[in-house]
Amino acid sequence: EAQVTQNPRYLITVTGKKLTVTCSQNMNHEYMSWYRQDPGLGLRQIYYSMNVEVTDKGDVPEGYKVSRKEKRNFPLILESPSPNQTSLYFCASSLTGFSNEKLFFGSGTQLSVL
Amino acid sequence: GQNIDQPTEMTATEGAIVQINCTYQTSGFNGLFWYQQHAGEAPTFLSYNVLDGLEEKGRFSSFLSRSKGYSYLLLKELQMKDSASYLCVSGNTPLVFGKGTRLSVIA
Repeated sequence: EAQVTQNPRYLITVTGKKLTVTCSQNMNHEYMSWYRQDPGLGLRQIYYSMNVEVTDKGDVPEGYKVSRKEKRNFPLILESPSPNQTSLYFCASSLTGFSNEKLFFGSGTQLSVL
Repeated sequence: GQNIDQPTEMTATEGAIVQINCTYQTSGFNGLFWYQQHAGEAPTFLSYNVLDGLEEKGRFSSFLSRSKGYSYLLLKELQMKDSASYLCVSGNTPLVFGKGTRLSVIA
């Protein structure tokens, strides 16, 4: 089944403790992206990747890192999480990243930073 | 600037028809998407319009007017499971997301 797999689904952590949210897609998509969703603000892009070893900042990249060493995986790293990074996170992918392509989303990660 | 406006909340009755409007001001426009998102779940693709006019897909239809910067999503024969947020998304690079319209379907 074609899908984007994101883990974990829920995560509670404390300020400053490094964490990684994994994202993997099995559709051979070139484009992958991370979003955060906060009440009243909608989806905001954190980072995106057009292909392996190519990553770029989105609208809200501060406090986040990503890597794209393999086509299928695009982990999101929070080196030193802070409470303002408490949010619902989504990974998404599309075939090539052209703006007319639909996105396939992972099931989301609800992160709470205490 | 890039901006998408859509109503925050709407309520409609089961079996009825509801229209969710979206206006956009974006540069480099390349079509408009609608996504459905149930609470706490991932958005899922509903429709994509790049040309003016109405596109029908079962109970859901989407309309686009590029000259007016306007789109709407029409949901017919509403069901309780249609209670969700509906996101209007402009097909720019990068994509521009509206904040979503939360639709409540009541009996």
